[in-house]
Amino acid sequence: NAGVMQNPRHLVRRRGQEARLRCSPMKGHSHVYWYRQLPEEGLKFMVYLQKENIIDESGMPKERFSAEFPKEGPSILRIQQVVRGDSAAYFCASSSGQGRHEQYFGPGTRLTVT
Amino acid sequence: QQQVKQSPQSLIVQKGGISIINCAYENTAFDYFPWYQQFPGKGPALLIAIRPDVSEKKEGRFTISFNKSAKQFSLHIMDSQPGDSATYFCAASTGSGGSNYKLTFGKGTLLTVNP
Repeated sequence: NAGVMQNPRHLVRRRGQEARLRCSPMKGHSHVYWYRQLPEEGLKFMVYLQKENIIDESGMPKERFSAEFPKEGPSILRIQQVVRGDSAAYFCASSSGQGRHEQYFGPGTRLTVT
Repeated sequence: QQQVKQSPQSLIVQKGGISIINCAYENTAFDYFPWYQQFPGKGPALLIAIRPDVSEKKEGRFTISFNKSAKQFSLHIMDSQPGDSATYFCAASTGSGGSNYKLTFGKGTLLTVNP
């Protein structure tokens, strides 16, 4: 399966814990976007990364959230000291870059903060 | 500031009918307009997309109509089927001005096709 992979699919954390969400892009893609989907809302852009570089983090909350895309391995979205308001579906999408717009989404990670 | 407005919020259509979902945008720099289909518990799937140099694009039962002067675009689903029941999102993006092709989404339309 050459599609975008995300894990875990479901994640439950207590308030104050850390959440780590992983995303492996499609084969041949080196550009990753993270989006958050709140209930009854559309998807909102969070951050755009290329290998070893954060290109655009304008949609990321200033505190507690960070993202990385190392040279080897998946992209990681990290949420420290989670709060109930962080409960949402987090999707990553990958693109080949090179001026191409098309983004292909993974199945998402559904984070529940109790 | 909501840059892409989508309507209606929900839509019920009979099997075989035409489903029409509309979107309007504000940013004239947008130059790519995709539609995504999302089933419950799944990720959005790219359905069809259009660029502003054409007014219409058709793929099977799905057609995008694009009106650049009105800054509007719409998705038409012909011969709607119960299997089309899903949430549909319009989106827009641009690579200019440091926008990095990030997608701006509408809030979605829940389509129900009755058998």
